[in-house]
Amino acid sequence: AQSVTQLGSHVSVSEGALVLLRCNYSSSVPPYLFWYVQYPNQGLQLLLKYTSAATLVKGINGFEAEFKKSETSFHLTKPSAHMSDAAEYFCAVTGTPGAGSYQLTFGKGTKLSVIP
Amino acid sequence: SQTIHQWPATLVQPVGSPLSLECTVEGTSNPNLYWYRQAAGRGLQLLFYSVGIGQISSEVPQNLSASRPQDRQFILSSKKLLLSDSGFYLCAWSGLAYNEQFFGPGTRLTVL
Repeated sequence: AQSVTQLGSHVSVSEGALVLLRCNYSSSVPPYLFWYVQYPNQGLQLLLKYTSAATLVKGINGFEAEFKKSETSFHLTKPSAHMSDAAEYFCAVTGTPGAGSYQLTFGKGTKLSVIP
Repeated sequence: SQTIHQWPATLVQPVGSPLSLECTVEGTSNPNLYWYRQAAGRGLQLLFYSVGIGQISSEVPQNLSASRPQDRQFILSSKKLLLSDSGFYLCAWSGLAYNEQFFGPGTRLTVL
């Protein structure tokens, strides 16, 4: 079984400031981890994924995330926030293929606001 | 490349009316298909998933049903809508690699 906890349902940052969105997971099998972004009234778009290769994963739009097994974390960061980053972000976990689970378990989301 | 379509984009329906939302995927074969609902402030709720034609699994008991008449078509239905069925409905597909899911543009359903 898997679960995801996203700390902070709302995060506000100033334009140009560091973005840090937190995600902690629990999984009984080696996990694959994902970050998705959702703009208002749109579907979810994959930002990046961890699939047991490099622990530091780079994604689209300048975002990256680091898998830390000892901390069961997969926090999302971006060095400098842009107004266009304002959206809702979802962290998700699934078991590795063959582990009996092909479903994603999503966190409840973090809404990011960027202040000019 | 693969694409996923949903329609309609928006829908306003009276309580007690039927519902049919459609999702189709192009550019892939035998995808896993999913229906999610987002209600305001409640995150993503998995409603149904399907691993093949005619194979539907329901995650939560509710007023809705799903069908998969063709390999790349997934339909969400209701015989009588409730106010609580309002929300943003998302269809998604996945292959076998990494279990990552790809989402459609969504349907905004308002039940009045």
